Amino acid sequence: GAVVSQHPSWVICKSGTSVKIECRSLDFQATTMFWYRQFPKQSLMLMATSNEGSKATYEQGVEKDKFLINHASLTLSTLTVTSAHPEDSSFYICSARDSDRTTGEQYFGPGTRLTVT
Amino acid sequence: AQKVTQAQTEISVVEKEDVTLDCVYETRDTTYYLFWYKQPPSGELVFLIRRNSFDEQNEISGRYSWNFQKSTSSFNFTITASQVVDSAVYFCALRGNFNKFYFGSGTKLNVKP
Repeated sequence: GAVVSQHPSWVICKSGTSVKIECRSLDFQATTMFWYRQFPKQSLMLMATSNEGSKATYEQGVEKDKFLINHASLTLSTLTVTSAHPEDSSFYICSARDSDRTTGEQYFGPGTRLTVT
Repeated sequence: AQKVTQAQTEISVVEKEDVTLDCVYETRDTTYYLFWYKQPPSGELVFLIRRNSFDEQNEISGRYSWNFQKSTSSFNFTITASQVVDSAVYFCALRGNFNKFYFGSGTKLNVKP
């Protein structure tokens, strides 16, 4: 089955530092990936759409300079939280859209828990 | 606008009881997909079902069943004979054009032994 991995699964960083989260499609190609954020006991909110070889599209209210997205290959998208602050602590989940499926099937990664101290 | 509403924030039942989780959606897309996901404490989303907007047939999978009614824009999820392992947060989601997911606020299900 289609598998999406995320690395790291959890990370603790100090305020002011940057942290990179990777999202990989392991057995399929994904020209499009999506990044979601989930605060404790809340729903998942779409942050941005990541397109291979082009700039990401950010949802309203998401700071593109703070959340840098790079989709350099058909199997990897990265989200970098720059100058992280405690309010950025959250659960980040990616999803990858299978390029070969006409239905546009998407698969979610297991998530990355970010804690900023 | 795309919107998914799960009015039940938290439900508690005793094991073996049946429980229905409600989901109401809004969309202007003519073609869309509806989903249910289970999210245990680990956080990973567990896919339960996908339904496209042209398929209103109800579905049963073991103890799980889904009722899709386009007329009321609802996609409800019933667990029959609930078990403690069913305890989790359940999300209803809509995927429309542009392949973006819109999630409801989630329903936390507590199944007590």
